[in-house]
Amino acid sequence: GQQLNQSPQSMFIQEGEDVSMNCTSSSIFNTWLWYKQDPGEGPVLLIALYKAGELTSNGRLTAQFGITRKDSFLNISASIPSDVGIYFCAGTLGGANSKLTFGKGITLSVRP
Amino acid sequence: DAGITQSPRYKITETGRQVTLMCHQTWSHSYMFWYRQDLGHGLRLIYYSAAADITDKGEVPDGYVVSRSKTENFPLTLESATRSQTSVYFCASRESGGRSYNEQFFGPGTRLTVL
Repeated sequence: GQQLNQSPQSMFIQEGEDVSMNCTSSSIFNTWLWYKQDPGEGPVLLIALYKAGELTSNGRLTAQFGITRKDSFLNISASIPSDVGIYFCAGTLGGANSKLTFGKGITLSVRP
Repeated sequence: DAGITQSPRYKITETGRQVTLMCHQTWSHSYMFWYRQDLGHGLRLIYYSAAADITDKGEVPDGYVVSRSKTENFPLTLESATRSQTSVYFCASRESGGRSYNEQFFGPGTRLTVL
């Protein structure tokens, strides 16, 4: 099945730095979601985006729904050690029985 | 508010045995999903359910059986476990309407090892 493109697979940053991730698709979506997964836990929803061009923040996290509806971006500002984890994007067209298409995730490491 | 729980959290079984993974949610969400997560493949949908007694296949349904007699429970059964089914299994749920109905919420996962 289709998967979203997230790259690189891993990112290494210094504590206090900002980091940006993007997610691209060959198809358009009506909703973009960003999840974070800590080791040994399930994915946790961070931000949901519903409209092309929408910019939404959740604390130090900011995400944008791309205007083409084929991409989305997540920015983490002033990173801290607890930001370590895997960040997944997911998209869907919505509708009855709609399912999410996921990216493979980016593993973020933060050096203190 | 417990949200969505899975049991067991860890399971080791042998090839050929039947295994059932449990999922329970307290939100009364209509939709429930089962995913498996493997290195290199990300999250892949096994089965999903739109309501009690309504289930449908996802991307990788072979070797799995689901049922949903009650809205809050969605068990996943491996009828005859194989080593290729060693994985981490996640259950998720979502609403059927409202602005946020596409948002899926995940359980903590079950790590299954088939020897």
